[in-house]
Amino acid sequence: DTGVSQDPRHKITKRGQNVTFRCDPISEHNRLYWYRQTLGQGPEFLTYFQNEAQLEKSRLLSDRFSAERPKGSFSTLEIQRTEQGDSAMYLCASSLAPRVLPNTGELFFGEGSRLTVL
Amino acid sequence: KQEVTQIPAALSVPEGENLVLNCSFTDSAIYNLQWFRQDPGKGLTSLLLIQSSQREQTSGRLNASLDKSSGRSTLYIAASQPGDSATYLCAVPPHNAGNMLTFGGGTRLMVKP
Repeated sequence: DTGVSQDPRHKITKRGQNVTFRCDPISEHNRLYWYRQTLGQGPEFLTYFQNEAQLEKSRLLSDRFSAERPKGSFSTLEIQRTEQGDSAMYLCASSLAPRVLPNTGELFFGEGSRLTVL
Repeated sequence: KQEVTQIPAALSVPEGENLVLNCSFTDSAIYNLQWFRQDPGKGLTSLLLIQSSQREQTSGRLNASLDKSSGRSTLYIAASQPGDSATYLCAVPPHNAGNMLTFGGGTRLMVKP
């Protein structure tokens, strides 16, 4: 397994269009996270799945954002009616749920999907 | 609400120097602390994870320490090399907020040959 993979790596779109990003976690990891990072800032948590269940959503995740993990493996993050403020790097991470909850365990990140909204 | 601060925001050193990056957090009730490296335009690479019961972790030329009571962690890089140039981020999961990590703003390190 080569780690967490994200697709596409770069996406340029016009304001108002919809975009979708895909994340394939490390195969045995049951937890998957989405973060957003703007230039010069640390990543900000968006949402988190354990298996197929979406367990947490940040207030940053507006109604235009939706994330799914239908079979508990890959995940998609869709942004509808994109705005210029959505321009950012969207990072996916995965981890194993450790035996003692709610410890996160170590997170492993993908290379990110960079979105530019014109 | 957990807040994580990293000082300095940027650092430039000559090759070979030993250096310390600082991370502070406001809520000491954490389960662990993780240090990451990020190269420009890339994702995050995990460097070290310190459990709350541990005081330090070492990996090669890197040593991370954790003082929960004072809300501080340091990342020590020995004998810095130009290849160490990157942004270094620390992150903590809050005690009672599920599994989301709160990140600091990072320290941008440049090691000059």
